[in-house]
Amino acid sequence: AQSVAQPEDQVNVAEGNPLTVKCTYSVSGNPYLFWYVQYPNRGLQFLLKYITGDNLVKGSYGFEAEFNKSQTSFHLKKPSALVSDSALYFCAVREGGGNNRLAFGKGNQVVVIP
Amino acid sequence: DAGITQSPRYKITETGRQVTLMCHQTWSHSYMFWYRQDLGHGLRLIYYSAAADITDKGEVPDGYVVSRSKTENFPLTLESATRSQTSVYFCASSESLGGGAGSEQFFGPGTRLTVL
Repeated sequence: AQSVAQPEDQVNVAEGNPLTVKCTYSVSGNPYLFWYVQYPNRGLQFLLKYITGDNLVKGSYGFEAEFNKSQTSFHLKKPSALVSDSALYFCAVREGGGNNRLAFGKGNQVVVIP
Repeated sequence: DAGITQSPRYKITETGRQVTLMCHQTWSHSYMFWYRQDLGHGLRLIYYSAAADITDKGEVPDGYVVSRSKTENFPLTLESATRSQTSVYFCASSESLGGGAGSEQFFGPGTRLTVL
C-alpha cells in the first residue's frame, strides 16, 4: 500500500528565510504526489501536484516542490517564507492506475517567526 | 454557491445517538471522500465513492455508514456514536479525468464532532 512520511512534526523558520517541508513516499508503480495546506479551523487547500514531466513543480502562493525518484522524496519549498505561511502542511500520494484514493502524511506544522 | 459544503459545522452529541454529517458539492465530481482528522494521525479515509450508488470502505470504516443516491450528496452516518468518534470530519471531492488518478481533491470546511 502507498504511504508517505513527513519526518518533522514542526518546522520553525524566520520570516524571509527559505522554507522546506520534507516528504518521502512509498508506492508500487508511478507515484502521483500532492501537497495541501491547512489553516486553523479550515479545510485543506490544494497547493500543487506531481503527475509526470518536469521534476520541479510550481504551485500556489509561491510554493514549489521537487520530485526525486531515486530518493523517493517530494519536498515542498518556498524561497522566502512569510508569517502568513504559518499553517499545517500535508503531503499525499496516490498510486497510478486508476485508484483515486490518497494516503496522507501526518502533517507538518510550519511556524514562521517574524 | 459553487463548491463543497458540510453541515453542521459543529455538533455535540451523546454516546449511543445516531448522527448524520452532510456533504454537498456543486461541481458534479465523480469521486467523493470522507476523512477524519485526529492529532497524531493526520487524515484517515473512512469511506469513498466513485459515483452515485458506488461506495467502498477506506482505512477506518467501522461504526460509519455512507450512501450516495445523488452525485452531489454524500452523507456520513454514525449509527451509534462513541467517544472515540470525537474528531474533525472532512468531506472531499475530485473529478474523474482519464481514470481520475491525477486529479486533486477539493475539501469542505469540516465538521467538528464531539461525542460526550
